[in-house]
Amino acid sequence: QVKLQESGPGLVKPSQTLSLTCSVSGGSISSGNYYWSWIRQSAGKGLEWIGRIYSSGRSAYNPSLKSRVILSLDTSKNQFSLKLSSVTAADTAVYYCASLVSGGNFPYWGQGTLVTVSP
Amino acid sequence: QSVLTQPPSMSAAPGQKVTISCSGGSSNIENNYVSWYQQFSGTAPRLLIYENNKRPSGIPDRFSGSKSGTSATLGITGLQTGDEADFYCGAWDNSLSTWVFGGGTKLTVL
Repeated sequence: QVKLQESGPGLVKPSQTLSLTCSVSGGSISSGNYYWSWIRQSAGKGLEWIGRIYSSGRSAYNPSLKSRVILSLDTSKNQFSLKLSSVTAADTAVYYCASLVSGGNFPYWGQGTLVTVSP
Repeated sequence: QSVLTQPPSMSAAPGQKVTISCSGGSSNIENNYVSWYQQFSGTAPRLLIYENNKRPSGIPDRFSGSKSGTSATLGITGLQTGDEADFYCGAWDNSLSTWVFGGGTKLTVL
């Protein structure tokens, strides 16, 4: 079974770049079985898809965040990463990494990591 | 405001049945698969239903999904207190070019 684990700073200052990494075990991110995705959830709010990246490195982003997001892969470490630039308080959320099946669902999720944007 | 519309809350007694609706449009639910997620407080969502009506291994058959037109429904029978959670529907939106989710339904079993 695929397992995912997020890591990264829990506090980021406004205007800086939020950087998170997702470590994958139980499967290779190069296998092509999944897309690798990031989803966030603000306190008391619903889920917001951020973007996805495939083993080829091809990525796609939520248009509302596209100008600020970069996803990348590190196949040597079996990890993928999120960078979100120019953050504001509105970016404070629990960030989840998840696998995405081409048929259209997210079968595996990390436990989530809270990132707070504050001076 | 979420693209997919769910009732904010529902409640039912143990042993009863509940259906949670998810309303969307032609750009999402009508022409794409719907999936459902259960989220207990403080934990990550878990996949309950995929491709409208399929259950991953390990999900009891008390949970079911259906879709008709621009709406989808999650059904839960034989409610248990352990089913109390937030439930979210999700689908790809062809017009927005993004995954969209419902605002979530908080289920109380009392």
